Amino acid sequence: AQKITQTQPGMFVQEKEAVTLDCTYDTSDQSYGLFWYKQPSSGEMIFLIYQGSYDEQNATEGRYSLNFQKARKSTNLVISASQLGDSAMYFCAMRDPSWGKLQFGAGTQVVVTP
Amino acid sequence: NAGVMQNPRHLVRRRGQEARLRCSPMKGHSHVYWYRQLPEEGLKFMVYLQKENIIDESGMPKERFSAEFPKEGPSILRIQQVVRGDSAAYFCASSPIDEQETQYFGPGTRLLVL
Repeated sequence: AQKITQTQPGMFVQEKEAVTLDCTYDTSDQSYGLFWYKQPSSGEMIFLIYQGSYDEQNATEGRYSLNFQKARKSTNLVISASQLGDSAMYFCAMRDPSWGKLQFGAGTQVVVTP
Repeated sequence: NAGVMQNPRHLVRRRGQEARLRCSPMKGHSHVYWYRQLPEEGLKFMVYLQKENIIDESGMPKERFSAEFPKEGPSILRIQQVVRGDSAAYFCASSPIDEQETQYFGPGTRLLVL
């Protein structure tokens, strides 16, 4: 069975600083996909970035990048140059290889301070 | 290109009533997933549908919950005889041709059972 773990319930970060959000996973599948979503206080779920298990390069998307360490089964999200609008809940998710359903971690609450 | 649409955004029901949640996927998307987010928790998969077919309902409670995605019109998540424990945010996500694509989420329906 797959499992996603986010051990940081909450973090404070100063504006313009970088922040790293941890995510580890457990799976016996060779092919899998890893996602990060952002949920601001307004409640919607916003797709941020994707990493495939066979991707050799770490994914990057603007100020978001992944530190994907396959052997350690971790995919940490790095947000560079934090902005006040980055304050939100961040969820890591793994896609089930058979039917594509996502399994989510518990989330990390990020608060960006001026 | 309009995103995933869900309505209503907020729904209040008394115990014992029925709740109907609607989801219109993004244009060109034929796969719909429903997730539930209980207060202070991550999202949990409920059901995966394609047009006129339920593909995976492993996350659906066995009683009172049903889902459909007809040939024409939105996907419907139906909860009969609601109880207080059904109070949650219900998210719909859609993806294009196959299960390996990124899922894009709607804004969610917040159900409150009094």
